[in-house]
Amino acid sequence: NAGVMQNPRHLVRRRGQEARLRCSPMKGHSHVYWYRQLPEEGLKFMVYLQKENIIDESGMPKERFSAEFPKEGPSILRIQQVVRGDSAAYFCASSPTELNTEAFFGQGTRLTVV
Amino acid sequence: AQKVTQAQTEISVVEKEDVTLDCVYETRDTTYYLFWYKQPPSGELVFLIRRNSFDEQNEISGRYSWNFQKSTSSFNFTITASQVVDSAVYFCALSEAQAAGNKLTFGGGTRVLVKP
Repeated sequence: NAGVMQNPRHLVRRRGQEARLRCSPMKGHSHVYWYRQLPEEGLKFMVYLQKENIIDESGMPKERFSAEFPKEGPSILRIQQVVRGDSAAYFCASSPTELNTEAFFGQGTRLTVV
Repeated sequence: AQKVTQAQTEISVVEKEDVTLDCVYETRDTTYYLFWYKQPPSGELVFLIRRNSFDEQNEISGRYSWNFQKSTSSFNFTITASQVVDSAVYFCALSEAQAAGNKLTFGGGTRVLVKP
């Protein structure tokens, strides 16, 4: 009974490159959330997706960031033309329904932009 | 808009002391959910508790206890007889029923350092 799986755990990118972060939700979960944790700060909501739909992207930066959750396969958070300020831990969480149940978090992807 | 405030950024205690972490929240929703998560040095997020706004009963789980006071919009967390393994960052979070999905608003976290 695997939990939420995120990969890679650590990702290093040079400025200007693209970063792709993957999240496989728990089995049976069709709701995925992405959060960003800047160094020494709390987690900030970025986007909420259901299969093939973006439900709430109010926390996503307007440029360079996009997210998808296709019918098959993991959810992807994509950051184009990364900058140093994108260095952070990115956490994915999943839940079985849209109700306010416990959200199960992955172990995070730590992105470092050099 | 919803907000969660953890005024204590860092607390240092000696093993076996009790430590209380404060959490104050703001929401306009009458139905909401409060959470505590632990983030140990390894970085993952560990779920500790979920409490809905209609249940003001305090809860105890082993050395952990939670005090929910709706009148003061607080949901404080106490670790009794702290141990070195309790050293971590602890986050309080809020989810509003009227918001889409299970979107969480986190506080800034409190770092707890338990010294032997």
